Amino acid sequence: TQLLEQSPQFLSIQEGENLTVYCNSSSVFSSLQWYRQEPGEGPVLLVTVVTGGEVKKLKRLTFQFGDARKDSSLHITAAQPGDTGLYLCAGRFSGYSTLTFGKGTMLLVSP
Amino acid sequence: SQTIHQWPATLVQPVGSPLSLECTVEGTSNPNLYWYRQAAGRGLQLLFYSVGIGQISSEVPQNLSASRPQDRQFILSSKKLLLSDSGFYLCAWRIGGRAGNSPLHFGNGTRLTVT
Repeated sequence: TQLLEQSPQFLSIQEGENLTVYCNSSSVFSSLQWYRQEPGEGPVLLVTVVTGGEVKKLKRLTFQFGDARKDSSLHITAAQPGDTGLYLCAGRFSGYSTLTFGKGTMLLVSP
Repeated sequence: SQTIHQWPATLVQPVGSPLSLECTVEGTSNPNLYWYRQAAGRGLQLLFYSVGIGQISSEVPQNLSASRPQDRQFILSSKKLLLSDSGFYLCAWRIGGRAGNSPLHFGNGTRLTVT
C-alpha cells in the first residue's frame, strides 16, 4: 500500500499571513495533484505537477514538486478568508493507475 | 460542458436496510468513473472504479458493491447497511482511455448516516 502524508492536519491563521502545506511519500510519484474542498462539496482541482523541481503559480498559491518527485508543497501568500477549506494532495505512484489521496490539511483563515 | 450529478444529497438509513446511490455524468463519453468515501471531512478512500460499462474494480473489500449499467451511470449499493458505512460518498469522473494526468471531477457528494 502506497502512503501519502500531509502536514499539518489543521492550520488556523489570520488574514494576511503566509502558510505552507506539505505532502510527502517514501515512494516516487509519477504525478501529483492538489485539490481544494469546501464543506458539503466535492474537491476541485487546483494544479497538476509532473516534472521533478517543477514550480507552478496560481495567483497567491505556489506549488512545488520535489526534485526526487517524492514530495510537494503548497504555499499561500497573504491568505484570505476565501482560502478557507480542506486542501488535499493526491499522487499517482509509478505503476499505479489510480490516485492516492492524503488526509488533507484543514485551513481556517480568520478576518 | 461536462456535468456530474449525484443524489441524494443526504440520506439517513437504519442498520440492515439497503442502499442505492446514483451518479450520472453528462457531456462526455466513456469516462472513467469512481466512488470515494470520505470520513469526517478528511482524506478520500477509493472504493470502486470503472473504465467501461459492466467493468468494476474494487479497491477495498467491504459491505458495498458498485455497478455501471450504462456508459455514464455509476451506482453504489449495499444489501444491508452497517453503522460503519456512515460517511460522505463522492462520485467522480475523468477522461477515459490513456488519460494520464487528467483531473478528477467530483459530484457534490451524499452524506449517509446509518442509525
